[in-house]
Amino acid sequence: AQKVTQAQTEISVVEKEDVTLDCVYETRDTTYYLFWYKQPPSGELVFLIRRNSFDEQNEISGRYSWNFQKSTSSFNFTITASQVVDSAVYFCALKADRGSTLGRLYFGRGTQLTVWP
Amino acid sequence: EAGVTQFPSHSVIEKGQTVTLRCDPISGHDNLYWYRRVMGKEIKFLLHFVKESKQDESGMPNNRFLAERTGGTYSTLKVQPAELEDSGVYFCASSQETRGPHEQYFGPGTRLTVT
Repeated sequence: AQKVTQAQTEISVVEKEDVTLDCVYETRDTTYYLFWYKQPPSGELVFLIRRNSFDEQNEISGRYSWNFQKSTSSFNFTITASQVVDSAVYFCALKADRGSTLGRLYFGRGTQLTVWP
Repeated sequence: EAGVTQFPSHSVIEKGQTVTLRCDPISGHDNLYWYRRVMGKEIKFLLHFVKESKQDESGMPNNRFLAERTGGTYSTLKVQPAELEDSGVYFCASSQETRGPHEQYFGPGTRLTVT
């Protein structure tokens, strides 16, 4: 079975602070994909980043960076120098690459990030 | 290129009534998914179409929910009769492929309130 846990329900920071969103996942599959989505107040889910299970190299893209560690089944997401426009609900999601549930995304409950000016 | 669109954006209905939600995926995307988020909980999978065929409908809550995808284009999700616990935001998503690292592109959702 697949499961995604986002233990942080809400996080508040002041603008320009760095913030890390935690994500822990469970899967028995050897090939899987991890995603982060952002849901701004307007409601749509916006794809942010993706990581393959066989690639643990961590990357930085602008103010976003992510830390994928298979040993701890974690896929944490960091926003550097946060801005008010980063305020949103952030969802971590997992997709297995085989089996009867092929294709579907498993989401965590989301973390509400509020960035204050 | 147009993204995933959903209609209506909001719907308020009374218990026992029928509601039909519509989703138009990104053109050329064979895969179409329906998800639902009940307030404060995780986004949960409902079903998956590949073209016009239901690939996986194991997430559908019960037989009051009926999904169709005519001609492999747009999809509808009908709730009949609606119950209070059906309230939530219904998201539609589409992707090019089922397997592999392809992300799913989501629509803005339909907020359904059953009173």
